[in-house]
Amino acid sequence: DTEVTQTPKHLVMGMTNKKSLKCEQHMGHRAMYWYKQKAKKPPELMFVYSYEKLSINESVPSRFSPECPNSSLLNLHLHALQPEDSALYLCASSQDGGPGELFFGEGSRLTVL
Amino acid sequence: GENVEQHPSTLSVQEGDSAVIKCTYSDSASNYFPWYKQELGKGPQLIIDIRSNVGEKKDQRIAVTLNKTAKHFSLHITETQPEDSAVYFCAATLYSSASKIIFGSGTRLSIRP
Repeated sequence: DTEVTQTPKHLVMGMTNKKSLKCEQHMGHRAMYWYKQKAKKPPELMFVYSYEKLSINESVPSRFSPECPNSSLLNLHLHALQPEDSALYLCASSQDGGPGELFFGEGSRLTVL
Repeated sequence: GENVEQHPSTLSVQEGDSAVIKCTYSDSASNYFPWYKQELGKGPQLIIDIRSNVGEKKDQRIAVTLNKTAKHFSLHITETQPEDSAVYFCAATLYSSASKIIFGSGTRLSIRP
């Protein structure tokens, strides 16, 4: 199984809502990532978890809150988002956070009204 | 920090012809260079990568070349097929901190029948 599964595929939320994006992998990977991708742009790194500990936070606003409950799961909690946060949110995993292939999910497309 | 420039932003080639995408990087310490393909509605997928101790790598119709002195690397696709149509991202990173992959701006490749 070389799949990273993200749910939901689409999410529409108001600026006062609280929602969560979920990501799951069963490849035994120990590093998991959140990326944000705007239309016609490359993915931008938001967070990296390595061995279930947050190792990189790319100065992401606190309205985005990551959580790694275990080595297979990664969540992104969303609260008080702005319309400019509308984007495709991609989850990825890699074997151990070192050099090598990133396995991406298909993404969750978020629209903030 | 690392900066990766990618050209061209769009590329249209006749089916069966070759396509070349070029990237330059700024940090001479970067030593791992992956290429990702992103099809519509999907997450990026690694198609080939190269490390700085190698000048060229080939996998069937895809090849990547690296010129460390000039800080250039290129993707070559031969005998292009309709399924090659996608957005391609080059990237660069330090081998020791591959968590922070820096992506180029992307090339939208279209294959004309």
